[in-house]
Amino acid sequence: KAGVTQTPRYLIKTRGQQVTLSCSPISGHRSVSWYQQTPGQGLQFLFEYFSETQRNKGNFPGRFSGRQFSNSRSEMNVSTLELGDSALYLCASSSSGTGFYGYTFGSGTRLTVV
Amino acid sequence: GNSVTQMEGPVTLSEEAFLTINCTYTATGYPSLFWYVQYPGEGLQLLLKATKADDKGSNKGFEATYRKETTSFHLEKGSVQVSDSAVYFCALPFNQAGTALIFGKGTTLSVSS
Repeated sequence: KAGVTQTPRYLIKTRGQQVTLSCSPISGHRSVSWYQQTPGQGLQFLFEYFSETQRNKGNFPGRFSGRQFSNSRSEMNVSTLELGDSALYLCASSSSGTGFYGYTFGSGTRLTVV
Repeated sequence: GNSVTQMEGPVTLSEEAFLTINCTYTATGYPSLFWYVQYPGEGLQLLLKATKADDKGSNKGFEATYRKETTSFHLEKGSVQVSDSAVYFCALPFNQAGTALIFGKGTTLSVSS
């Protein structure tokens, strides 16, 4: 059974640009969550989608957005990149999205903003 | 909302030493509790979980018991190996709906031979 797949693994962007990251959840999983991991702030929740609907959003500016497609694949977009957006972005999927059994994480996309 | 507090690291041990990483939580109700591990350059892997009070989660020699009296979920291993060197995160759902997780700050474990 394939795991959670995130593409690309590494990305270098220039300040002011925008970026789109992709996440393919485990087959059958309908909930997809996104997290930002930085050395200073640790793991912070960005947003969660379930059946194409955003159910929860963390405390991030509107430059961070996401969506989920009918096949449960998800993308997140960051517009007008800032140096502080450099981080490891992790995607996680769950079958029920209730957190009861936990979430399976992908290997992440390492974004560097220069 | 729920919250979690995890002991700060780094923790440095010799091979075969005993490991304890403390985790305490504040939560409404009795949510599932998790330990995740992150090896260098990788994403998070679920190490173990407990879904109700007094449950003991275990995996790869690691154990943690869901203690509602002390609101704790401490991670233990009797004999660590060099390959256990990683960052360990305690986590729980951040709301009753459990639609996302809240994580502790992470504890870096370094094991030397």
